[in-house]
Amino acid sequence: DIVMTQTPLSLSATPGQPASISCKSSESLLHSDGKTYLCWYLQKPGHPPQLLIYEVSNRFSGVPDRFSGSGSGTDFTLKISRVEAEDVGVYYCMQSLQLPITFGQGTRLEIK
Amino acid sequence: EVHLLESGGGLVQPGGSLRLTCAAAGFTFSNYAMSWVRQAPGKGLEWVSVISASGASTYYADSVKGRFTISRDSSKNTVFLQMKSLRADDTAVYFCAKVPLKWVVPGAYDYWGQGALVTVSS
Repeated sequence: DIVMTQTPLSLSATPGQPASISCKSSESLLHSDGKTYLCWYLQKPGHPPQLLIYEVSNRFSGVPDRFSGSGSGTDFTLKISRVEAEDVGVYYCMQSLQLPITFGQGTRLEIK
Repeated sequence: EVHLLESGGGLVQPGGSLRLTCAAAGFTFSNYAMSWVRQAPGKGLEWVSVISASGASTYYADSVKGRFTISRDSSKNTVFLQMKSLRADDTAVYFCAKVPLKWVVPGAYDYWGQGALVTVSS
């Protein structure tokens, strides 16, 4: 199984300031089709996960452009350029390259 | 608009059975694989099972293999998770999620339901 490791596990951010989360996979997530299958979710309190970023750096429909993803191979980063109060919740990375699908432990973002 | 609605959760005794249902709307159901992901109280996300668009292929996490069965009825735009021999550590919110392709991988799960709570306790 591919192990996904996120850091930090908790993050306190100031509104208007940037924040970033790291995700590392135990194996490369590069598929033979040339795409890398790493995505990011935000789970707000009491809600299901919502897709933010797919294939490392593509924002899903309706996701604000303050969210961006980067990385390759086994090292990935989610960045929020200017944190807003509505960004609170738990962020998960997920690999969908192969079964079993695996998730990072989650990073809890709180606002200072 | 894509909509997924889970039902069938509840309280069940250890060793018991339960069937979850996920009703889908807003997309051509028969064109997409579907998955179940669970979240134990206060914990992270755990992938449970996936079924291909045709229903011909199914896969399970080791933790549920032999006890859970995923199936789908494309005439009713519905996916099911039959759970047997339930244990306390199966207690979780169970989410159904849409896979953005016919096959089970690769692809991010783009839409999720609100979830159904399953509590296994005596």
